Amino acid sequence: GAVVSQHPSRVICKSGTSVKIECRSLDFQATTMFWYRQFPKQSLMLMATSNEGSKATYEQGVEKDKFLINHASLTLSTLTVTSAHPEDSSFYICSARTGGSLTGELFFGEGSRLTVL
Amino acid sequence: EDQVTQSPEALRLQEGESSSLNCSYTVSGLRGLFWYRQDPGKGPEFLFTLYSAGEEKEKERLKATLTKKESFLHITAPKPEDSATYLCAVQAETGGFKTIFGAGTRLFVKA
Repeated sequence: GAVVSQHPSRVICKSGTSVKIECRSLDFQATTMFWYRQFPKQSLMLMATSNEGSKATYEQGVEKDKFLINHASLTLSTLTVTSAHPEDSSFYICSARTGGSLTGELFFGEGSRLTVL
Repeated sequence: EDQVTQSPEALRLQEGESSSLNCSYTVSGLRGLFWYRQDPGKGPEFLFTLYSAGEEKEKERLKATLTKKESFLHITAPKPEDSATYLCAVQAETGGFKTIFGAGTRLFVKA
C-alpha cells in the first residue's frame, strides 16, 4: 500500500520557538497533501490543504501565519509551527491520496506529537 | 452542513463477542465513506472504502456495510489485538474534496 512518512514522531520545544514537521510520500507523487490536528480522544480536524507549487488552503479558524505550510516538491510537504505556545501542543498528522486523485481514501503518516513547554 | 456521527463512543467486548460500530452521516452527495483504524499515538490506517448503498467489504474479522444514511463496521469474534479506535470518514461531492471524520469509537477487547 501507499506509504506516507512523517518526521519527527515526537518533538518537545520551549514556548516561543518554531518547529518544522516533514511529510513525505515514499512511493508515489502527491500534488496535494492534507494536514490534520488531533486532540486527545477527539477526531481529526483538517487544518489545511497543501498544494505543490502553490499556496496552501487553510480551514476557517486556522492561522496561516502560525502554521506555515510549504509543498516544494511532489513528495514533500512541511508544516512549521511558528512561535509555538503550550496551546499548540497536539498530534499533527499529514495525509495524501495516491495518483494525484482528488477523491478516494487518504493514506496517513505516523503522526507527530508536539509538546510545547 | 456535512456531518459524521459515530456510536458508541466506547465499546468493551470480551474476546469472541461479536458486535457492530455505527457511523451516521449527513452529506450533500456522497463520494465515498471510509473506515480507518487508529492505534494510540499512530496515524490512522486505511481499512475500507464504500461508495454506494448496499455495498459491503470484508477483511479478516471486519465487515463494512453502507446504507443511504449510515455505515456499520461489524466485528466478528474479536481478538484483543482488534482493540483500537475506529474512525469513519466521508467525502462529499461538495466542499472541495475534503474528508470529514467522525469522533471515532474506542474498542477494547478483553481476553
